[in-house]
Order: sequence, then structure tokens, then C-alpha cells
Amino acid sequence: DTAVSQTPKYLVTQMGNDKSIKCEQNLGHDTMYWYKQDSKKFLKIMFSYNNKELIINETVPNRFSPKSPDKAHLNLHINSLELGDSAVYFCASNRQGETQYFGPGTRLLVL
Amino acid sequence: AQSVTQLGSHVSVSEGALVLLRCNYSSSVPPYLFWYVQYPNQGLQLLLKYTTGATLVKGINGFEAEFKKSETSFHLTKPSAHMSDAAEYFCAVGASGGSNYKLTFGKGTLLTVNP
Repeated sequence: DTAVSQTPKYLVTQMGNDKSIKCEQNLGHDTMYWYKQDSKKFLKIMFSYNNKELIINETVPNRFSPKSPDKAHLNLHINSLELGDSAVYFCASNRQGETQYFGPGTRLLVL
Repeated sequence: AQSVTQLGSHVSVSEGALVLLRCNYSSSVPPYLFWYVQYPNQGLQLLLKYTTGATLVKGINGFEAEFKKSETSFHLTKPSAHMSDAAEYFCAVGASGGSNYKLTFGKGTLLTVNP
């Protein structure tokens, strides 16, 4: 009965690889987000989608491309991974203007 | 534009002592204010939030926070710390009234509770 789920939970990969992280919510929310938490625990928004439409796009390298196949899913694809991409990536969702609920995070380590 | 400042990256208290985690914000529009807690290797869990109405809000696990507009503050308190309260705490601000607001987080405060 997980509300916001992410896969995988851990991801270890080599520099230069391409990887995807998936997020699904079963709360019936219409807005989904990706946040990045760096090694100092600082959380920063990356993207937001509302009804499959990109709404918020912060200053993020083009190597990061979100995709929302439907309202319940928001995936994050990362091309040409770099060491600095190592972080915890959190997905979140909400109904418009309401509390955001976060997933458990995906811990990405780029070697 | 929004920003959040959490004073003290690390707060240490004894079990049973008062917990006070400080948060100041800036926002160009009336803010929504949140406190989230993150336990080790876990996601973020909402503790409490302020949107409108009563300025003293109560959350889970005995925590509460008071919105003080004149001081642009939203400090988190708990009368008596428990060992299980040890975690990272994040204050966040979101713009009110918008349908797709983004949360701007503070840098977090690590709370340790000593026996």
C-alpha cells in the first residue's frame, strides 16, 4: 500500500552510463516532482509535472530528462552520468496546492 | 523568490529536554510552511504544516510550530525529547495559492538526543 514508490532504491554505476529512475504514486495526485539531495543533505527541486505536463524545470543539465507517461508515473532518465550526479533522488507528489508526499529515495552512486 | 534559513546544522539535547529547532523564511507571497523529518536512509515524512488560520500548528509525535509573520519564523518545538526523535529535520517554504508550488528547503538540522 505504498503511497509514493521509487525504483531502484540503490543504483551504483560507472561514469558515462545512462540510467533511469522510476516513480509511481497511487494517491490519485495530479502533480509529481523530482528533488535531489546532495551529500550535505541539501534538498533542491529539479522538475515538476502536472497532468503529464512539465511545469517546473529548474537549472538542471540537459543530461537529465524527466518523462511522465501518465499522471501516476514520473521517471527520470540521466545520460552520461558524472561523479557529481551521485546523490539521493526523491520523488514527491501532491494534489494541486496541497501537501507533498515523498518517496523513499533512490541512492545513486557514480563511480 | 523564497528562501529558508535553519539556524544550527546540529542540535544536541538530553532525553526529556526541550527541543527547539529554528527556521526563518523569506517569501514574496504569503507562505505555506512545512517541517519534514528524515530518519537515516529514509525518505521525508511530514511533521506539520502551516497554510492559513491558526498560527500554532500541532503535528505528529508531539511536535508543534508557531508561524510568526512579524519575525518571519516558523520554529519547531517539542516539550520533551525522546531518543526516537533523533533525525534530520527540514524546514520548507512553498508559495501559497499556486497550483504547482515548489518547496524550497532549508539545509536541515540534525537532532541528536543523549540518554
